[in-house]
Amino acid sequence: DIQMTQSPSSLSASVGDSVTITCRASHDISIYLAWFQQKPGKAPKALIYTATNLQSGVPSRFSGSESGTEFTLTIDSLQPEDFATYYCQQYNNYPYNFGPGTKLEMK
Amino acid sequence: QVQLQESGPGLVKPSETLSLTCAVSGDSISGGNWWSWVRQTPDKGLEWIGEINRSGTTNYNESLKSRVTISLDKSNNQFSLKFSSVTAADTGVYYCARMRPTGPGLDSWGLGTLVTVSS
Repeated sequence: DIQMTQSPSSLSASVGDSVTITCRASHDISIYLAWFQQKPGKAPKALIYTATNLQSGVPSRFSGSESGTEFTLTIDSLQPEDFATYYCQQYNNYPYNFGPGTKLEMK
Repeated sequence: QVQLQESGPGLVKPSETLSLTCAVSGDSISGGNWWSWVRQTPDKGLEWIGEINRSGTTNYNESLKSRVTISLDKSNNQFSLKFSSVTAADTGVYYCARMRPTGPGLDSWGLGTLVTVSS
């Protein structure tokens, strides 16, 4: 199985800040990496697919990049509604494992 | 716009079978997408359970495969999950989702349903 790790596990930031979350895959997953946002009591919301593409309706302050087996999610100019937990997921090989999550908290 | 809605018992006894259904609207399960189940437990976080396509072809998480069955109900545009021999470790929120495999991935999710395993 491909293992997904994320760093940091938690992050404190202020409205207006830019933040970056990193996800690493244990093996090559090509570009098949997705990012999700989850708020308490809600389902995950798809943000980014194939590492760099925004899902429909997702604000352009969210962006993704990839370099080999390392992937990053960047959120520019944080808004109050962005404070949530973020997960990566690979969908290149079964099982489609998720990362453990990064909790983004308001400073 | 596609919508997915999970339904099923919120309480299941240990050793029994958990059964959930996902009703799909705004898309046909007979189309080109895959239809997936994901769960979220305190112990393992988000865990992909498996998926099914319009032909009934399934892919399962090997770690759960012996206990999982996913099936289609084309007449009602829904798909189902059966999870046997449940234990307290299977307590969590179960989500159904649409999988678009060559691009957008798990792009649409149901609201989720909490399943508690307890006697």
